[in-house]
Amino acid sequence: DQQVKQNSPSLSVQEGRISILNCDYTNSMFDYFLWYKKYPAEGPTFLISISSIKDKNEDGRFTVFLNKSAKHLSLHIVPSQPGDSAVYFCAADSGGSYIPTFGRGTSLIVHP
Amino acid sequence: DTAVSQTPKYLVTQMGNDKSIKCEQNLGHDTMYWYKQDSKKFLKIMFSYNNKELIINETVPNRFSPKSPDKAHLNLHINSLELGDSAVYFCASSPALRDRGRGTEAFFGQGTRLTVV
Repeated sequence: DQQVKQNSPSLSVQEGRISILNCDYTNSMFDYFLWYKKYPAEGPTFLISISSIKDKNEDGRFTVFLNKSAKHLSLHIVPSQPGDSAVYFCAADSGGSYIPTFGRGTSLIVHP
Repeated sequence: DTAVSQTPKYLVTQMGNDKSIKCEQNLGHDTMYWYKQDSKKFLKIMFSYNNKELIINETVPNRFSPKSPDKAHLNLHINSLELGDSAVYFCASSPALRDRGRGTEAFFGQGTRLTVV
């Protein structure tokens, strides 16, 4: 029962271009969404989040968009840099749980 | 100065053994978690402790038991290890639940790769 789905296991992008990572969720109770970045042999690190009362949150090169009606969110990285190469996890939680549920991650490779 | 540290980083052990993984956070957070990342790469919550009280316990075998001697530590004890327990285990911590409108941004340790042979 995958409540948070990241259907693309990998994504390859050229340096300077836009990276778009997608995430879908099924639980309509989710009201807070987070993106984490993970390098090999390290733990995930928090990147950016968005509350369900918003449809966009921007932090530097990173922007998260939320489409509640479609139960879909996406992370945009512009411009992409080789150092962005990592696994990106989408996570979501609800006011009743406060325990984030994670997707299986998307491996982003940014080519120089 | 590591915010969330867990030891050991690697652990290889035989079936049937009992082992522990330690976790410490120096962020003053009230909530700590244990996650398991299995072979399919999903990060699945195992336990969460808030102010030393277990607030959620997903359907994990009772061979797994969290121990929290204080707010800064949440250790994971595993009895009678099985082959299927092989995975990477992550400890994490976060501020008080939804404090001042914030979400559950968690800080993770570097992970412990457990291999049961």
